[in-house]
Amino acid sequence: QVHLVQSEAEVKKPGASVKVSCKASGYTFVSYALHWVRQAPGQSLEWMGWINTGNTYTEYSQKFQGRVTITRDASASTAYMELSSLTSEDTAVYYCARVNYGDPYYFDPWGQGTLVTVSS
Amino acid sequence: SYVLTQPPSVSVAPGQTARITCGENNIANKRVQWYQQRPGQAPVLVVFDDSDRPSGIPERFSGSTSGNTATLTVSRVEAGDEADYYCQVWDTTDHYVFGSGTKVTVL
Repeated sequence: QVHLVQSEAEVKKPGASVKVSCKASGYTFVSYALHWVRQAPGQSLEWMGWINTGNTYTEYSQKFQGRVTITRDASASTAYMELSSLTSEDTAVYYCARVNYGDPYYFDPWGQGTLVTVSS
Repeated sequence: SYVLTQPPSVSVAPGQTARITCGENNIANKRVQWYQQRPGQAPVLVVFDDSDRPSGIPERFSGSTSGNTATLTVSRVEAGDEADYYCQVWDTTDHYVFGSGTKVTVL
Protein backbone atom coordinates (compact mmCIF):
# COMPACT_ATOMS: atom_id res chain seq x y z
CA GLN A 1 0.00 0.00 0.00
CA VAL A 2 1.26 3.46 -0.89
CA HIS A 3 2.08 5.70 2.07
CA LEU A 4 3.54 9.17 2.42
CA VAL A 5 4.65 9.90 5.98
CA GLN A 6 5.64 13.44 6.89
CA SER A 7 7.72 14.90 9.68
CA GLU A 8 6.28 16.26 12.91
CA ALA A 9 4.87 19.70 13.59
CA GLU A 10 7.23 22.67 13.83
CA VAL A 11 7.16 26.04 15.55
CA LYS A 12 9.36 28.72 14.03
CA LYS A 13 10.08 32.38 14.63
CA PRO A 14 9.54 34.99 11.93
CA GLY A 15 12.48 35.16 9.57
CA ALA A 16 13.51 31.56 10.16
CA SER A 17 13.38 28.61 7.76
CA VAL A 18 11.61 25.28 8.05
CA LYS A 19 12.34 21.97 6.36
CA VAL A 20 9.58 19.35 6.12
CA SER A 21 10.21 15.77 5.05
CA CYS A 22 8.00 13.27 3.22
CA LYS A 23 8.98 9.59 3.24
CA ALA A 24 7.41 7.40 0.59
CA SER A 25 6.76 3.66 0.77
CA GLY A 26 4.84 1.00 -1.12
CA TYR A 27 6.02 1.98 -4.61
CA THR A 28 9.16 2.77 -6.60
CA PHE A 29 10.11 6.23 -5.38
CA VAL A 30 11.58 7.57 -8.63
CA SER A 31 8.59 6.46 -10.72
CA TYR A 32 6.35 9.28 -9.47
CA ALA A 33 6.68 13.00 -8.86
CA LEU A 34 6.15 14.54 -5.44
CA HIS A 35 4.36 17.83 -5.01
CA TRP A 36 3.84 20.15 -2.05
CA VAL A 37 0.52 21.82 -1.23
CA ARG A 38 -0.27 23.97 1.79
CA GLN A 39 -3.45 24.91 3.63
CA ALA A 40 -3.65 27.92 5.92
CA PRO A 41 -6.10 27.68 8.83
CA GLY A 42 -9.68 27.70 7.53
CA GLN A 43 -8.49 28.25 3.97
CA SER A 44 -8.37 26.33 0.73
CA LEU A 45 -5.43 24.44 -0.74
CA GLU A 46 -2.48 26.10 -2.46
CA TRP A 47 0.04 24.41 -4.74
CA MET A 48 3.69 25.25 -3.98
CA GLY A 49 5.84 23.20 -6.32
CA TRP A 50 7.10 19.78 -7.31
CA ILE A 51 10.16 17.63 -7.89
CA ASN A 52 10.92 14.99 -10.45
CA THR A 53 12.24 12.38 -8.05
CA GLY A 54 14.23 10.73 -10.84
CA ASN A 55 16.26 13.63 -12.29
CA THR A 56 15.63 16.22 -9.48
CA TYR A 57 14.05 18.76 -11.85
CA THR A 58 11.99 21.20 -9.82
CA GLU A 59 9.30 23.75 -10.57
CA TYR A 60 7.79 26.24 -8.17
CA SER A 61 4.71 28.40 -7.98
CA GLN A 62 5.58 32.00 -8.76
CA LYS A 63 4.22 32.96 -5.37
CA PHE A 64 6.95 31.00 -3.60
CA GLN A 65 9.78 31.36 -6.13
CA GLY A 66 12.98 32.31 -4.32
CA ARG A 67 11.69 31.18 -0.91
CA VAL A 68 10.99 27.48 -1.44
CA THR A 69 13.40 24.66 -2.23
CA ILE A 70 12.30 21.09 -2.88
CA THR A 71 14.88 18.33 -2.80
CA ARG A 72 14.96 14.56 -2.51
CA ASP A 73 17.11 11.72 -1.24
CA ALA A 74 16.30 8.79 -3.49
CA SER A 75 18.27 6.36 -1.30
CA ALA A 76 15.89 7.21 1.56
CA SER A 77 12.76 7.52 -0.61
CA THR A 78 12.28 10.93 0.95
CA ALA A 79 11.49 14.37 -0.39
CA TYR A 80 11.99 17.64 1.43
CA MET A 81 10.42 21.07 1.25
CA GLU A 82 12.29 24.02 2.75
CA LEU A 83 10.62 27.40 3.10
CA SER A 84 12.66 30.41 4.16
CA SER A 85 11.99 33.94 5.45
CA LEU A 86 8.92 32.76 7.31
CA THR A 87 6.15 35.16 8.35
CA SER A 88 2.94 34.57 10.24
CA GLU A 89 1.18 34.15 6.89
CA ASP A 90 3.16 30.94 6.37
CA THR A 91 1.38 29.31 9.31
CA ALA A 92 -0.30 26.37 7.61
CA VAL A 93 -0.47 22.62 7.21
CA TYR A 94 1.96 21.50 4.54
CA TYR A 95 1.17 18.37 2.54
CA CYS A 96 3.19 16.28 0.15
CA ALA A 97 1.29 14.40 -2.54
CA ARG A 98 2.19 11.93 -5.27
CA VAL A 99 1.60 12.61 -8.96
CA ASN A 100 1.84 10.21 -11.89
CA TYR A 101 4.28 11.48 -14.55
CA GLY A 102 2.09 10.04 -17.28
CA ASP A 103 -1.08 11.65 -15.97
CA PRO A 104 0.05 14.67 -13.99
CA TYR A 105 -3.34 16.23 -13.31
CA TYR A 106 -4.21 14.99 -9.85
CA PHE A 107 -2.74 14.22 -6.43
CA ASP A 108 -3.07 10.72 -5.00
CA PRO A 109 -2.31 9.94 -2.25
CA TRP A 110 -1.42 12.73 0.17
CA GLY A 111 0.79 12.71 3.23
CA GLN A 112 -0.83 13.25 6.61
CA GLY A 113 0.30 16.88 6.71
CA THR A 114 2.77 18.83 8.82
CA LEU A 115 1.61 21.86 10.82
CA VAL A 116 4.08 24.73 10.69
CA THR A 117 3.37 27.54 13.12
CA VAL A 118 5.20 30.84 12.75
CA SER A 119 5.08 32.90 15.90
CA SER A 120 7.33 35.23 17.82
CA SER B 1 -3.33 32.97 -9.44
CA TYR B 2 -7.03 32.38 -8.96
CA VAL B 3 -9.44 30.16 -7.05
CA LEU B 4 -12.31 28.17 -8.52
CA THR B 5 -15.77 29.20 -7.28
CA GLN B 6 -17.60 26.82 -4.96
CA PRO B 7 -20.59 27.39 -2.65
CA PRO B 8 -19.38 27.71 0.96
CA SER B 9 -21.82 25.13 2.27
CA VAL B 10 -24.32 22.48 1.30
CA SER B 11 -26.70 20.75 3.70
CA VAL B 12 -28.34 17.42 2.97
CA ALA B 13 -30.40 14.85 4.85
CA PRO B 14 -29.15 11.28 5.11
CA GLY B 15 -30.14 9.21 2.11
CA GLN B 16 -30.62 12.24 -0.10
CA THR B 17 -28.38 13.60 -2.85
CA ALA B 18 -25.77 16.34 -2.43
CA ARG B 19 -24.60 18.33 -5.42
CA ILE B 20 -21.49 20.50 -5.14
CA THR B 21 -20.63 22.87 -7.95
CA CYS B 22 -17.34 24.32 -9.15
CA GLY B 23 -17.38 27.30 -11.48
CA GLU B 24 -14.76 28.48 -13.94
CA ASN B 25 -14.83 29.80 -17.49
CA ASN B 26 -14.91 26.85 -19.90
CA ILE B 27 -14.19 24.36 -17.14
CA ALA B 28 -15.63 21.66 -19.39
CA ASN B 29 -12.43 22.00 -21.44
CA LYS B 30 -10.27 21.14 -18.43
CA ARG B 31 -9.78 17.98 -16.45
CA VAL B 32 -11.50 18.35 -13.09
CA GLN B 33 -10.65 16.55 -9.87
CA TRP B 34 -12.52 16.42 -6.56
CA TYR B 35 -11.07 15.83 -3.09
CA GLN B 36 -12.80 15.01 0.19
CA GLN B 37 -11.23 16.35 3.37
CA ARG B 38 -12.64 15.17 6.66
CA PRO B 39 -11.91 17.33 9.74
CA GLY B 40 -8.29 17.10 10.78
CA GLN B 41 -7.36 14.80 7.91
CA ALA B 42 -5.54 15.08 4.61
CA PRO B 43 -7.48 15.41 1.35
CA VAL B 44 -8.52 12.21 -0.42
CA LEU B 45 -9.09 11.99 -4.17
CA VAL B 46 -12.68 10.94 -4.90
CA VAL B 47 -13.06 11.85 -8.60
CA PHE B 48 -10.45 12.49 -11.30
CA ASP B 49 -10.64 13.35 -15.00
CA ASP B 50 -14.12 14.83 -14.53
CA SER B 51 -15.91 11.58 -13.75
CA ASP B 52 -13.54 8.69 -12.95
CA ARG B 53 -13.34 7.20 -9.49
CA PRO B 54 -10.16 5.85 -7.88
CA SER B 55 -10.35 2.29 -6.64
CA GLY B 56 -12.02 2.12 -3.26
CA ILE B 57 -14.26 5.16 -3.78
CA PRO B 58 -17.97 4.23 -3.67
CA GLU B 59 -20.09 4.55 -6.78
CA ARG B 60 -22.19 7.04 -4.81
CA PHE B 61 -19.59 9.64 -5.79
CA SER B 62 -19.85 10.86 -9.36
CA GLY B 63 -18.62 13.84 -11.34
CA SER B 64 -19.71 15.72 -14.42
CA THR B 65 -18.90 18.91 -16.30
CA SER B 66 -20.88 21.17 -18.61
CA GLY B 67 -19.95 24.59 -19.90
CA ASN B 68 -18.61 26.67 -17.03
CA THR B 69 -19.62 24.30 -14.22
CA ALA B 70 -18.31 21.04 -12.82
CA THR B 71 -20.48 19.10 -10.37
CA LEU B 72 -19.71 16.48 -7.76
CA THR B 73 -22.78 14.43 -6.90
CA VAL B 74 -22.94 12.35 -3.75
CA SER B 75 -25.90 9.98 -3.80
CA ARG B 76 -27.51 8.30 -0.79
CA VAL B 77 -25.57 10.56 1.55
CA GLU B 78 -24.24 9.03 4.77
CA ALA B 79 -23.03 10.65 7.98
CA GLY B 80 -19.47 9.76 7.01
CA ASP B 81 -19.71 11.97 3.92
CA GLU B 82 -19.69 15.08 6.10
CA ALA B 83 -16.50 16.86 5.05
CA ASP B 84 -15.04 19.70 3.02
CA TYR B 85 -14.89 19.10 -0.71
CA TYR B 86 -12.48 20.81 -3.10
CA CYS B 87 -12.41 20.87 -6.88
CA GLN B 88 -9.10 21.20 -8.73
CA VAL B 89 -7.96 21.74 -12.31
CA TRP B 90 -4.64 21.92 -14.06
CA ASP B 91 -3.90 25.25 -15.72
CA THR B 92 -1.04 25.96 -18.14
CA THR B 93 -0.13 29.17 -16.28
CA ASP B 94 -0.94 28.53 -12.63
CA HIS B 95 -0.46 24.78 -12.82
CA TYR B 96 -2.67 23.36 -10.07
CA VAL B 97 -5.68 25.47 -9.09
CA PHE B 98 -8.09 24.58 -6.31
CA GLY B 99 -11.62 25.62 -5.50
CA SER B 100 -12.60 27.63 -2.46
CA GLY B 101 -14.09 24.56 -0.82
CA THR B 102 -17.59 23.45 0.15
CA LYS B 103 -18.54 22.21 3.60
CA VAL B 104 -21.10 19.42 3.35
CA THR B 105 -23.26 19.05 6.43
CA VAL B 106 -25.37 15.94 6.92
CA LEU B 107 -28.49 16.95 8.81
